[in-house]
Amino acid sequence: KQEVTQIPAALSVPEGENLVLNCSFTDSAIYNLQWFRQDPGKGLTSLLLIQSSQREQTSGRLNASLDKSSGRSTLYIAASQPGDSATYLCAVRPGKAGTALIFGKGTTLSVSS
Amino acid sequence: GAGVSQSPSNKVTEKGKDVELRCDPISGHTALYWYRQRLGQGLEFLIYFQGNSAPDKSGLPSDRFSAERTGESVSTLTIQRTQQEDSAVYLCASSLRGGDRSSYEQYFGPGTRLTVT
Repeated sequence: KQEVTQIPAALSVPEGENLVLNCSFTDSAIYNLQWFRQDPGKGLTSLLLIQSSQREQTSGRLNASLDKSSGRSTLYIAASQPGDSATYLCAVRPGKAGTALIFGKGTTLSVSS
Repeated sequence: GAGVSQSPSNKVTEKGKDVELRCDPISGHTALYWYRQRLGQGLEFLIYFQGNSAPDKSGLPSDRFSAERTGESVSTLTIQRTQQEDSAVYLCASSLRGGDRSSYEQYFGPGTRLTVT
């Protein structure tokens, strides 16, 4: 059974710091991996999607990497800003039967000014 | 263009009542998903619709939960005889396509926060 784990559960950093959020998954047979952002009381905003054949994706200050064989992904946030404060969710699309995403519990990030 | 919309945004109901939650997917998206997020938990898959195929109901937690979808448009999630444990945020997502070999991105709505008192 696929399980997704995110470490740390919470992270507080001062503005301007570079940071890394970690995601691990137990079954390497995936079609893709998505990173989402969730603000309190809001839905999910997709940040980056990495297909199983890709190793990384970049969008602005965000860079996500995927090492499928070791079951790991990282989300790198450069020059963090207070507006980056949110919960970041990692989700994998299983490669076997089933189409729904399997989510980790998230990392709650707080960036102080 | 318009994203996924859900209504109501908040719903408070008494234990034992039935509730209906609505999802409007992105136009043209054939795949639609319902997820649930309970406090302190990760998102849990509930049900998946793909075109006119039979829905994947494998995530529904009990027979009190059901969902319908009209063609490739609106979906409603119904919870009968609500219990306090049903309190959660219910999120709907749609994607261009689904299916076992699909790698299409899922787009989420803002969710419906359900509180059962």
